[in-house]
Amino acid sequence: DIQMTQSPSSLSGSIGDRVTITCRASQSIGTHLNWYQQKPGSAPKLLIYAASSLQTGVPSRFSGSGSGTDFTVTISSLQPEDVATYYCQQTSSTPETFGQGTKVEI
Amino acid sequence: EVQLVESGGGLAQPGGSLRLSCAASGFTFSNYWMSWVRRAPGKGLEWVANIEQGGSKIYYVDSVKGRFTISRDNAKNSLYLQMNSLRVEDSALYYCARWERSGSWFFDYWGQGTLVTVSS
Repeated sequence: DIQMTQSPSSLSGSIGDRVTITCRASQSIGTHLNWYQQKPGSAPKLLIYAASSLQTGVPSRFSGSGSGTDFTVTISSLQPEDVATYYCQQTSSTPETFGQGTKVEI
Repeated sequence: EVQLVESGGGLAQPGGSLRLSCAASGFTFSNYWMSWVRRAPGKGLEWVANIEQGGSKIYYVDSVKGRFTISRDNAKNSLYLQMNSLRVEDSALYYCARWERSGSWFFDYWGQGTLVTVSS
């Protein structure tokens, strides 16, 4: 199975900060990497698919990059509504594994 | 509007069974792969199973193989997860999710989840 490792496990930022979360795969996955946001009490929401494609309706302050084994998601200007846990997921091979999550706080 | 509504969760004893259901609406259900994903208390997301449009291709995470069965009824726009031989570690919030592909595979719509608790 492909292991996905996110860092940091948690972070705290101020409104307007640029925030970056990293995800590393245990082997090359091309660009088969997605990012999800999960707010407390809510279902996960797709933010970014295929490493860098922004899902329809997601604010443009979110962006994704990377290929191979190293990926990032960046929030260009942190907003109060961005408080959530963020997960990466690889879909290069079954099982489609998730990272352990990164909790973002203000 | 795409909607996925799970039901069937509850309390089960170790070794017991539960059947989860997911009612889909707002899209042509028979055109999509569907999946179950779970989140155990205090833990992250874990993909559980996928089923292709016609039900002939099915995949499971190793930890549930031989115990869980994913199925679908396209006439009823419904997805199911039959869970047998339940273990304490199967306790989780179970989500139904639509599995889409555009350059890569991803879950583009999720239900709100149904809670499964396995305890004696």
